[in-house]
Parts: sequence; C-alpha cells; structure tokens
Amino acid sequence: EVQLVQSGAEVKKPGESLKISCKGSGYSFNSYWIGWVRQLPGKGLEWMGIIYPGDSDTRYSPSFQGQVTISADKSISTAYLQWSSLKASDTAMYYCARYRITTGLDYWGQGTLVTVSS
Amino acid sequence: QSALTQPASVSGSPGQSITISCTGTSSDVGGYNSVSWYQQHPGKAPKLMIYDVSNRPSGVSNRFSGSKSGNTASLTISGLQAEDEADYYCSSYTASSTLDVLFGGGTKLTVL
Repeated sequence: EVQLVQSGAEVKKPGESLKISCKGSGYSFNSYWIGWVRQLPGKGLEWMGIIYPGDSDTRYSPSFQGQVTISADKSISTAYLQWSSLKASDTAMYYCARYRITTGLDYWGQGTLVTVSS
Repeated sequence: QSALTQPASVSGSPGQSITISCTGTSSDVGGYNSVSWYQQHPGKAPKLMIYDVSNRPSGVSNRFSGSKSGNTASLTISGLQAEDEADYYCSSYTASSTLDVLFGGGTKLTVL
C-alpha cells in the first residue's frame, strides 16, 4: 500500500527555522517525483515545487523560489521542506504528494500544520 | 503564472448532475492531456478523482467523469450524493520552465 506520512504539527516563532518531512512507503520512492503544496487557512491549493529523489532534481514555483528549500534523502525514503526564517504568513497546512505528469498527484500525505506566531 | 479559472461555487440537488469548469491557456490545459481533478473534504487531504483529463483511479465512483475542449476542462458529477459536498480543484501540467503544475482556485460544491 502506497503511503506518504508527514511529520507532526509545528508551532514556531517568526524568524525561527523549520524542516518538515514526508516519508514514503509501499513503492519505489526514488522513481516518483514528490511535490509540496501549500494551503493557507480557508484558501486553495498552491504548488510550491517538486523533487525527484532519484537524482535530487528540484524545481520551484516562482512564488516560492528562495523562500523554501526542498530536499530528499533517498536512503530513508523521505522528502523535506524547510524554511530558514519563518514569517507569520507561512502559517498554513503543507501537503506532500506523489507526482507523475501522467497521473497527477495520486497519493497525498495527511498534511503538516505549521503555525508561526509570536 | 496565473492559476486556472474555476467557478467559486456550484450547487445541485441529490440525484442531479453538475459540471465544474476549469479554464487555462494553450500552454497548460489546452496543450496537454495532463489535467487532474481533486476532491477535498473539510479538514482532509485532497484526493485524486480524475487524471489525464478523463481517467478515474481505482476506487473512484463512475459518477465522476472528466472531459476537455480547447483550453477548458470539465468535471461532471452525476447522481449527486450528499457525500459529494466538498471543494474541488483542477490542476494541469504547464510548459513553464520552472513551474510544473498549476492549480485552479477551487470550487465549493454544495448539495442542496
């Protein structure tokens, strides 16, 4: 069974750093892109970027380039999304999902709620 | 790059059919058959309902169907049920060198 399990909710202060994770199982983790999606409170889905764990090829949406870093450790089938300096406007639910051009985002993690507040 | 355009809301009565549109450009929806639709219930992760314009993943009801004409894709839900009430999002592959996926703004489906 394909599963993506994300790390738990986080509460951080502005200016702090954060790295959240997404662990895949039940399939060849190295052979599928992993995408990250942001959902602001009460708003729609926003594409942040993707990574191919097999070779770490990474692409960012222009809106998120320079704001976050996407990485992966294929040895433990885990993808990451990290911030070096959080802002209150980063408060959102973040989802990872398996992605292929032909089948879209076919499996999703349960989401990680990030709250940034002083 | 702009998001794909969806109506903010649609509604229908149980048993009826509804259609949600998703309009893009020739660089995304119109240029590729890589259009997907997702269903999201409150507090839940999105779920893939349609991929490649009109294909249903295993386990998705055949009441859900997808189509495309030009730069506009559509999701049709027939025989509406109360459990279909949710937010629906379209997405498309895009030829942009940096942005691989575009989402629509989402459509709130209300079952009356």
